[in-house]
Amino acid sequence: DTGVSQDPRHKITKRGQNVTFRCDPISEHNRLYWYRQTLGQGPEFLTYFQNEAQLEKSRLLSDRFSAERPKGSFSTLEIQRTEQGDSAMYLCASSFPRGRSAETQYFGPGTRLLVL
Amino acid sequence: AQSVTQLDSQVPVFEEAPVELRCNYSSSVSVYLFWYVQYPNQGLQLLLKYLSGSTLVESINGFEAEFNKSQTSFHLRKPSVHISDTAEYFCAVSDKSNFGNEKLTFGTGTRLTIIP
Repeated sequence: DTGVSQDPRHKITKRGQNVTFRCDPISEHNRLYWYRQTLGQGPEFLTYFQNEAQLEKSRLLSDRFSAERPKGSFSTLEIQRTEQGDSAMYLCASSFPRGRSAETQYFGPGTRLLVL
Repeated sequence: AQSVTQLDSQVPVFEEAPVELRCNYSSSVSVYLFWYVQYPNQGLQLLLKYLSGSTLVESINGFEAEFNKSQTSFHLRKPSVHISDTAEYFCAVSDKSNFGNEKLTFGTGTRLTIIP
């Protein structure tokens, strides 16, 4: 179990540029979540995949955001035409539900985005 | 929809003293309850969770939390803290009935600082 990994760990970009983040979940986990955490706040849900299907998107996810999970393995989160308000920590989590018990989500270290 | 309130943003405590981190939630449905911990420069880790049954749940490192349905609270306690407990603690809930998507709703976090 190598844990959830995210790449890059830090990204600085200029307003208007596009950025893409990658998340590699724990290998047997079929559920993958993206969250965003701004300074002084707790993580907020963005979107959720079960295998390759994106099943829910938060209203926080504007049209400039897109997420994919081809083949149900790694996932990418792309932000087009970045704005200063996009500056945040982007967290990825994965899980493998067992029966009807509450699943445990395993979080990656996050990608910190700074938009200048 | 659910919401989580952590009223204390920062809690300083002397080493070996007891601590309580408060968490209250609001929800129109039954929820699972979680405490996650984030150590400096690390990702979020599950500390403990309440699913059903006994209202007192314990973690392996001496923390415990008690679910109080009437007060809609899930406060975290430890009778004697250690320097290594310095971290940010997040309370979270998920919708018990939404088996297909157990997205988490987090509070704003409490930064616990242990004073030697």
